[in-house]
Amino acid sequence: GESVGLHLPTLSVQEGDNSIINCAYSNSASDYFIWYKQESGKGPQFIIDIRSNMDKRQGQRVTVLLNKTVKHLSLQIAATQPGDSAVYFCAENKNDYKLSFGAGTTVTVRA
Amino acid sequence: SAVISQKPSRDICQRGTSLTIQCQVDSQVTMMFWYRQQPGQSLTLIATANQGSEATYESGFVIDKFPISRPNLTFSTLTVSNMSPEDSSIYLCSVAGGLGLEQFFGPGTRLTVL
Repeated sequence: GESVGLHLPTLSVQEGDNSIINCAYSNSASDYFIWYKQESGKGPQFIIDIRSNMDKRQGQRVTVLLNKTVKHLSLQIAATQPGDSAVYFCAENKNDYKLSFGAGTTVTVRA
Repeated sequence: SAVISQKPSRDICQRGTSLTIQCQVDSQVTMMFWYRQQPGQSLTLIATANQGSEATYESGFVIDKFPISRPNLTFSTLTVSNMSPEDSSIYLCSVAGGLGLEQFFGPGTRLTVL
């Protein structure tokens, strides 16, 4: 599968492979994190979230990992499909609902 | 999750005019927010829309430029005043305050200022 150790603005993935999207967050006081998917012409769609008292959470085909020591968040997508092509954003907050967004990663799935 | 709609979905406006964007939710929500997404960029929080009181603005955003109303728990408006081409962006409302901290977004309003 495809993976990136640092945040990159774009990621090209072969259909069927696993994808890993990375995000570095800035505020050590943040205790809640969300991943969003934004398709062209649409608003961000909630994918999965994780609180700071966890280091891993799984959803349907997605897993979020949190490393508080290095302030790093990742989203893993299993068996990437063409419909996964989108921009993915991580967001953080401090239990006050005010989200601070990362720069975003554009994922392109190759057939 | 709540169903969120925004009107208009897109608009093209002339410099110096104002546009009011509406956000409607299909259920009562505690928190409503307005974000801006400039072309090719990430999202930035403009303000928290407070029911029955003045909105709470983030640094760099002021009420005179972005007046906000929230008359009830299902509806809010954002006005972009005295527009310039730099205001060309996607404006998004979001809602939160259910059982957890999850926040959900509307489809956005795509504004182009000429």
